[in-house]
Amino acid sequence: GQNIDQPTEMTATEGAIVQINCTYQTSGFNGLFWYQQHAGEAPTFLSYNVLDGLEEKGRFSSFLSRSKGYSYLLLKELQMKDSASYLCAVRRPARQLTFGSGTQLTVLP
Amino acid sequence: GAGVSQSPSNKVTEKGKDVELRCDPISGHTALYWYRQRLGQGLEFLIYFQGNSAPDKSGLPSDRFSAERTGESVSTLTIQRTQQEDSAVYLCASSLEQYEQYFGPGTRLTVT
Repeated sequence: GQNIDQPTEMTATEGAIVQINCTYQTSGFNGLFWYQQHAGEAPTFLSYNVLDGLEEKGRFSSFLSRSKGYSYLLLKELQMKDSASYLCAVRRPARQLTFGSGTQLTVLP
Repeated sequence: GAGVSQSPSNKVTEKGKDVELRCDPISGHTALYWYRQRLGQGLEFLIYFQGNSAPDKSGLPSDRFSAERTGESVSTLTIQRTQQEDSAVYLCASSLEQYEQYFGPGTRLTVT
């Protein structure tokens, strides 16, 4: 079966750095996505990793280790608007995405 | 068109009624997906269309759920004889081949 694990909730302070981990066990792997979802809104794309290593995009970075079935999303210089749910999703062959349950991040002033 | 659109944005229906949800993908996107998201939970894959290939229906929870897509355009998701556990937000997404998916705003379905 497919299994994607993320922490349910995290809290961090404005200006700080937070790392959201994701571990996965899936039949087939064609890449890992991170999406951000604000309450009541649709998910929006943040990052995509298909090879091992770190992808940096502004304040957000995403890391992948395929051998460990592990990824993390790193958010730097946290802002209040970063309070949202962060969804880890694994793409399997035929381009289906399997989503984790999401990590609800709360940024405190 | 700017992005993926879905209609209606909200739907309240009585248990046992049929509902039809619509998705207009981004023009030119060959792939279209339907997901269900229950309150406070992650996204649950329902069905996937890719060009003229047979759709992947492996995520549909029961035979009360069905979906169609006309070519590479509009898709409709139909839920027959709705049940209270069908209450959720139904999200549609489209993409170009293997690239990231763009999500619509969703349809919030409430079954009373």
